[in-house]
Amino acid sequence: DSGVTQTPKHLITATGQRVTLRCSPRSGDLSVYWYQQSLDQGLQFLIQYYNGEERAKGNILERFSAQQFPDLHSELNLSSLELGDSALYFCASSVFGGRETQYFGPGTRLLVL
Amino acid sequence: GIQVEQSPPDLILQEGANSTLRCNFSDSVNNLQWFHQNPWGQLINLFYIPSGTKQNGRLSATTVATERYSLLYISSSQTTDSGVYFCAVLNTGTASKLTFGTGTRLQVTL
Repeated sequence: DSGVTQTPKHLITATGQRVTLRCSPRSGDLSVYWYQQSLDQGLQFLIQYYNGEERAKGNILERFSAQQFPDLHSELNLSSLELGDSALYFCASSVFGGRETQYFGPGTRLLVL
Repeated sequence: GIQVEQSPPDLILQEGANSTLRCNFSDSVNNLQWFHQNPWGQLINLFYIPSGTKQNGRLSATTVATERYSLLYISSSQTTDSGVYFCAVLNTGTASKLTFGTGTRLQVTL
């Protein structure tokens, strides 16, 4: 158990819908990352937050947004869902958001029908 | 951006065999992590190893940063070692995003 929690574990929804994925980092970690694992793109970085502020952005679509709250939990919002958004979404956390170890949560498996 | 290549892409072993997985990267890094993704999809941290050698039970890893590669050794493999092994790196001087390789899929049979 990495100490990073994600909910829900599984999500099935329809095209055009909106969903919210939630992540709680390890106790004491200030930085949260979101990654997407799809069959065709592999594991890709989406976005990073540090202590409530956006720190870095990767290949995140405009239909996707995220935020980190004062209690340091984070949410990833996916809207106008398409079939191709079906993937495993991971949250990771680290202490400061630098070069230290990133610990990954169990993931949320999203299926868009 | 930095390129991360892993080899071999697939590996089938009998229980008890040893194996070496390789990760090559195209630029200098200041973080390198090895993960095991189990059949349920969970990503399990194996090593944080930007340089040097570490051992944890039957697993060990070596990173030679100056030559831009890392090796993961699995000894006396067990069926529970099956899954996909990923190498991920943090490029020096860039944001804190990990760039993942495409993985090595390992199947250990009885």
